[in-house]
Amino acid sequence: NAGVTQTPKFQVLKTGQSMTLQCAQDMNHNSMYWYRQDPGMGLRLIYYSASEGTTDKGEVPNGYNVSRLNKREFSLRLESAAPSQTSVYFCASSESTAPDTEAFFGQGTRLTVV
Amino acid sequence: GIQVEQSPPDLILQEGANSTLRCNFSDSVNNLQWFHQNPWGQLINLFYIPSGTKQNGRLSATTVATERYSLLYISSSQTTDSGVYFCAVFPLAGGGADGLTFGKGTHLIIQP
Repeated sequence: NAGVTQTPKFQVLKTGQSMTLQCAQDMNHNSMYWYRQDPGMGLRLIYYSASEGTTDKGEVPNGYNVSRLNKREFSLRLESAAPSQTSVYFCASSESTAPDTEAFFGQGTRLTVV
Repeated sequence: GIQVEQSPPDLILQEGANSTLRCNFSDSVNNLQWFHQNPWGQLINLFYIPSGTKQNGRLSATTVATERYSLLYISSSQTTDSGVYFCAVFPLAGGGADGLTFGKGTHLIIQP
């Protein structure tokens, strides 16, 4: 039972390069999320997908795009990476966006933009 | 938006000691979770506890929703308990659509 799986685990990009972070969950959850974690901070929500076919902005969406490919997969794309996007990225899923549901997180992707 | 404050920010203890971590939140919540981020960066679910008390081995948690705080207790600490402990909430007013709001965490170091 893998839960939430993210790829890659580590990535180094040059400023201006693009890349896509992949996330897949095997818990049949409807809702998925992308967060970023910066040093000394908690996690902040970038985008979320309440259900297949829908996506919405979170607290810090600028510079990112997302795609809910199907129920299992939710990807995060950086079109033109900037040093300010150096961070650890976490994908999460939950049964729904109803407030009384538990969220589960992937192992994170450590991204460095130079 | 809702504010989540955790205390203390840092805590250094000897193996075998007990500790209490606190999470205060500024508004009513429907959901509260405690996570442990281990030294490898992995976020591990500890408790889903919007109210009441739960126990899991040496760890227990209590949330008093009416007073807007939650406590995480760690007894007989082990070095493997080291890491950062996060509290995260779903605000009642937000309807849950904005995802969890995290505190900044308590960095716990357990020394042998």
